[in-house]
Amino acid sequence: GAGVSQSPSNKVTEKGKDVELRCDPISGHTALYWYRQSLGQGLEFLIYFQGNSAPDKSGLPSDRFSAERTGGSVSTLTIQRTQQEDSAVYLCASSPRTSGGRDTQYFGPGTRLTVL
Amino acid sequence: QQPVQSPQAVILREGEDAVINCSSSKALYSVHWYRQKHGEAPVFLMILLKGGEQKGHEKISASFNEKKQQSSLYLTASQLSYSGTYFCGLGRLTSGTYKYIFGTGTRLKVLA
Repeated sequence: GAGVSQSPSNKVTEKGKDVELRCDPISGHTALYWYRQSLGQGLEFLIYFQGNSAPDKSGLPSDRFSAERTGGSVSTLTIQRTQQEDSAVYLCASSPRTSGGRDTQYFGPGTRLTVL
Repeated sequence: QQPVQSPQAVILREGEDAVINCSSSKALYSVHWYRQKHGEAPVFLMILLKGGEQKGHEKISASFNEKKQQSSLYLTASQLSYSGTYFCGLGRLTSGTYKYIFGTGTRLKVLA
């Protein structure tokens, strides 16, 4: 079946503009994660959605970052008033079960964001 | 607090073995290992759950020591395809909520 997809694959924007990044998880997966990976760095957790529960937003770096997940499927990560330090690859992952800890996370190809 | 991986980087010749360690200051519920090749998304290797399971995947295996809050990834008779950055992902239950965080990463390069 289809894997996790993300769009756009690349986004170049000017400082101060808003951007929206989209993630389509694997069908039927209840958990969805957003991560940020700066060049040569590790994976930084941003936000986690699990079913219909309130999302865990503990990793969002500032109030310029927000995310939603509609109908328990597609998720959008929005960055308002982008800054140059927001430049990174944004990765989305999904996993199948309702309980955390036991499931593989399947990653999408990522969106490379460049803020000029 | 981000789990610490060691070594940070390692270079091997084809056929050599390597061990990558992942340590946490917090009690662990599960450990996942991923490999990421340059320019690609991380790919799952294996998961270890609380209970000290040791898992295997081809010539790659791992262990999970709950008491020491550590996991180790063992690469045996390394192949060129093993090159990449290895991340551990640690799951913790905190106040009934599941938290997941990736380690600092270990860059591994296998030479012919």
